[in-house]
Amino acid sequence: GQNIDQPTEMTATEGAIVQINCTYQTSGFNGLFWYQQHAGEAPTFLSYNVLDGLEEKGRFSSFLSRSKGYSYLLLKELQMKDSASYLCAVRDSDYKLSFGAGTTVTVRA
Amino acid sequence: IAGITQAPTSQILAAGRRMTLRCTQDMRHNAMYWYRQDLGLGLRLIHYSNTAGTTGKGEVPDGYSVSRANTDDFPLTLASAVPSQTSVYFCASSDWEASEQFFGPGTRLTVL
Repeated sequence: GQNIDQPTEMTATEGAIVQINCTYQTSGFNGLFWYQQHAGEAPTFLSYNVLDGLEEKGRFSSFLSRSKGYSYLLLKELQMKDSASYLCAVRDSDYKLSFGAGTTVTVRA
Repeated sequence: IAGITQAPTSQILAAGRRMTLRCTQDMRHNAMYWYRQDLGLGLRLIHYSNTAGTTGKGEVPDGYSVSRANTDDFPLTLASAVPSQTSVYFCASSDWEASEQFFGPGTRLTVL
């Protein structure tokens, strides 16, 4: 099974940078995903890491260290629309996802 | 292109009643999934199907059943609803080896 931990809440100022950490313990690892979920809406895909290192996609970057069971999502140049929950999910060898409880990010003006 | 649709959007149900949540995708994805999302617990996998004609149990399958008669549809049935099944239910789909799952808009179910 999977044990996935991420902070419950984070607050940051518009234009700032926020880093959301995710640690996991898994019996079989086949990739790590980050999803964004606005209140009352469906999760939408942000990033995917299967090898160690940094993946950059515009204002969002995601990092993975498989040996440490650790990932982070970096949000740069925060905008008000980035206020949402961010879900860390680990995929196992059967291609099933296990999700963390999510981190609610609030962006203040 | 609709992607994934779910019906109903929301439902209030008396305990003991039978209920089927519908999910349809038009992306010809092989795999489909049902999750429930509860406050503080995140998304938990109920059942999944890797391809039409096959299904499997996820983390929290008790009280739920699914079928996958064709590629597009993946209904979730609660045979006899209980209050602990009050939740938001999301259907998702993906290619067998693709990087991402696409989620439907969700069904908010309240069991009284």
